[in-house]
Amino acid sequence: QKEVEQDPGPLSVPEGAIVSLNCTYSNSAFQYFMWYRQYSRKGPELLMYTYSSGNKEDGRFTAQVDKSSKYISLFIRDSQPSDSATYLCASPLGFQKLVFGTGTRLLVSP
Amino acid sequence: EAQVTQNPRYLITVTGKKLTVTCSQNMNHEYMSWYRQDPGLGLRQIYYSMNVEVTDKGDVPEGYKVSRKEKRNFPLILESPSPNQTSLYFCASSLGGGNSPLHFGNGTRLTVT
Repeated sequence: QKEVEQDPGPLSVPEGAIVSLNCTYSNSAFQYFMWYRQYSRKGPELLMYTYSSGNKEDGRFTAQVDKSSKYISLFIRDSQPSDSATYLCASPLGFQKLVFGTGTRLLVSP
Repeated sequence: EAQVTQNPRYLITVTGKKLTVTCSQNMNHEYMSWYRQDPGLGLRQIYYSMNVEVTDKGDVPEGYKVSRKEKRNFPLILESPSPNQTSLYFCASSLGGGNSPLHFGNGTRLTVT
């Protein structure tokens, strides 16, 4: 079993829709959670970062963590075609590395 | 501009021909790492370095070597590439590892025939 699981998608939505992207994790040692966005032919870039359970909002993006069920979500409001990318959830394991999910591909059509 | 620069972006080679992928960062980051990205497997760490002359294996180090002689550079060496090393490679750096955000390069797509 992978330590971080994501549905690979693709998830196709129309412009303006609310998008929900989800991850589950199995390692109770995970304390911090990150969402990276990866455009085609680019490296991943950090989108959001959260530590505690609950919600964290940044513009159109909201990250949600439920540590009791080991469930991580990213919500995108008023989705735009420019949001079309692969979204990766990740958590640091010690100082050595980030453990990544396989990513969910999102397609937002105009 | 703060960035991680990898070269080359694309590389096609043959089995057994030694190659080096360069990586350089201009952010004075202590921590650097190499990942490979494969469909269905996601990003997997190959090697990482906490500082100059300090390197250690990640999850998939077989067939790879690294060195960290200078803080800014962290080359990835494939002494004898094989087809199963065909992949998309990313170099990344951060201030201190752990929960420090990783800054990624734009990737090197390697094909070994």
